Parts: sequence; structure tokens; C-alpha cells
Amino acid sequence: KAGVTQTPRYLIKTRGQQVTLSCSPISGHRSVSWYQQTPGQGLQFLFEYFSETQRNKGNFPGRFSGRQFSNSRSEMNVSTLELGDSALYLCASSAGTGLVETQYFGPGTRLLVL
Amino acid sequence: AQTVTQSQPEMSVQEAETVTLSCTYDTSESDYYLFWYKQPPSRQMILVIRQEAYKQQNATENRFSVNFQKAAKSFSLKISDSQLGDAAMYFCAYEHEYGNKLVFGAGTILRVKS
Repeated sequence: KAGVTQTPRYLIKTRGQQVTLSCSPISGHRSVSWYQQTPGQGLQFLFEYFSETQRNKGNFPGRFSGRQFSNSRSEMNVSTLELGDSALYLCASSAGTGLVETQYFGPGTRLLVL
Repeated sequence: AQTVTQSQPEMSVQEAETVTLSCTYDTSESDYYLFWYKQPPSRQMILVIRQEAYKQQNATENRFSVNFQKAAKSFSLKISDSQLGDAAMYFCAYEHEYGNKLVFGAGTILRVKS
């Protein structure tokens, strides 16, 4: 099976712009989670989607949003970008059957905000 | 809130030798899961090993094994016969039942010397 894919891999934006990142899960997986990785804050959970519904959410401002499509692909959007949003954004997929499952990560999207 | 602590920012090991990475966590839950992920320079997060809290037997995966001490809330990773390819950042992570929300430690950089 193909792994989790994320596009684009690299992105440069300026402050105030918005950005959309995409994640395609492993075939058959229905849950997609997003994480932000920065040198200062480490890895932090953003949100999780299952069957097109946000099922879990971390402590991020409303500028961070996401959605999931019927084919389980997910997008993450950040509006009004700030310098501090520069990070590696990782998505992970799992089967989504309910109990704790192993999450499989994509290669990440590196976002640089200037 | 659950927290995960990795007290060793950096560790070094000679090729073919054994190294142990430490992890402690804090939770009031009784059912949870613990993971070790590896992040090489490519930034791809790779699952190394997983442990269910209800299982007393320590998990093993080839050269990787854990020492899970539930009462002490400790979850260390032992890497035997270290190889150059083991060099990476290692993250300890916690997930509560029905979660899909991983809580990560700060990570330990492992360097392998030839």
C-alpha cells in the first residue's frame, strides 16, 4: 500500500497570507490527524478528522482549520499567517475503527512564513 | 493534562553496542498506549514500537525493546546492536484510549559512532 502523502512538501508565504496543505491517507484509513512541529514547542496536536467530522482538537487558535473529504483526504488551512506559524506540518492516518490505533505519518510540509 | 518527559536531549552509542533512551509520563488514566517514534533527518516519522498499558509484558521488535513500568510511569527504549541507520531523533508518545491524539515528548537525538 502507498503511504501517507502530503502536498506540497515545501511552501514559502508572507505574513498575512493564508495557506492550504493537503494530506492523502493510506488507502482504507478513515482517520487523519494533523501535527505542528517547531523547534520551540516540539510536536503538537492540531486536530483529527474522521468521516468528514472533526473528532478531536488541540489548543490552537481559530486561524487553524481543517476539513476532510468523502475519500478521507484532508486539508488544513491557516489564515492570516504569522511568523510563528513557520513549522513542519505532519499528518498521520489510521484506520479509525475507534480504539487507539497506530498512526502512520506522512513526510510533512515545511512552511516558511516571511 | 497528560505530559511526556524525555530527560536526555542527546545520547551517543558506539556501533554494535546497546543504548537506552528514557521516557516518563504523567496521566491519571488507567488505559492508554505508549509509542516510540523515530524521526531521521528526512523528517519522516517512523513507528518503532508500541505498548498497551494493560499488557504487563514488555513489547519487543527485533533489536528494539521497551521497559514499561506502569506504577513508576516510565517507558524506556532499549536499542541493541546499534546500527548507523539508528541515528535519528526519537520521540516518546502517549495516547489515551479513543484518542488518536498523540502527546509527544521533546525528543532525544541519538548519534551512532562507527
